Amino acid sequence: EVQLVQSGAELKKPGESLRISCQTSGYNFTRHWVAWVRQTPGKGLEWMGIFYPGDSDSRFSPSFRGRVTISVDKSITTAYLHWNSLTSSDSAIYYCARQARNVGPDYFDFWGQGTLVTVSS
Amino acid sequence: DIQMTQSPSSLSASVGDRVTITCRASQRISKWLAWYQQKPGKAPRVLIYEASSLESGVPSRFSGSGSGTEFTLTISGLQPDDFATYYCQQFNSYPYTFGQGTKLEI
Repeated sequence: EVQLVQSGAELKKPGESLRISCQTSGYNFTRHWVAWVRQTPGKGLEWMGIFYPGDSDSRFSPSFRGRVTISVDKSITTAYLHWNSLTSSDSAIYYCARQARNVGPDYFDFWGQGTLVTVSS
Repeated sequence: DIQMTQSPSSLSASVGDRVTITCRASQRISKWLAWYQQKPGKAPRVLIYEASSLESGVPSRFSGSGSGTEFTLTISGLQPDDFATYYCQQFNSYPYTFGQGTKLEI
């Protein structure tokens, strides 16, 4: 059974760093792209970026490039989303999602349960 | 970026109704479109991919059509479990983008 299990809610202050995780199981981690999607009440669902664990290739939305990084630990089949310096506008729910197939562009067939990030002084 | 515009933003319907949601892309995306359903507090769930292919396990009352720039999601015979928010997403080119959502209410 494919599963993506995300780390718990975070409460952080502006300027702090953060890493949230997405632990996967039930499939070959190195053969599927993993994406991160942000959800806010105001902007809905936003695709942030995507990472291919097989060769560490990645793509980012211009809106998020340079603001976040994605990494993986293949030994524990886990993907991460990092911020070096949070701002209040980063407050949102963040989802990881698995791309269904590893050839070409594709939809997301499995999602994590979401991680709520709150940034407040 | 490719802009995805859904209509309507919200929709009131009753159990048993047939409803249609439209998604328009700002440029041609061939068939590279997916539809997701999201319920409060839950992650999105894929219903349709490649514009008209039904994801495994999704009831057949859900169907999708379209290509190029115009797409529709149709739910035939609404069930109580279908009241949720629906999103389209293009995966023709990066960055993949979502529509703003359509909230289906009783």
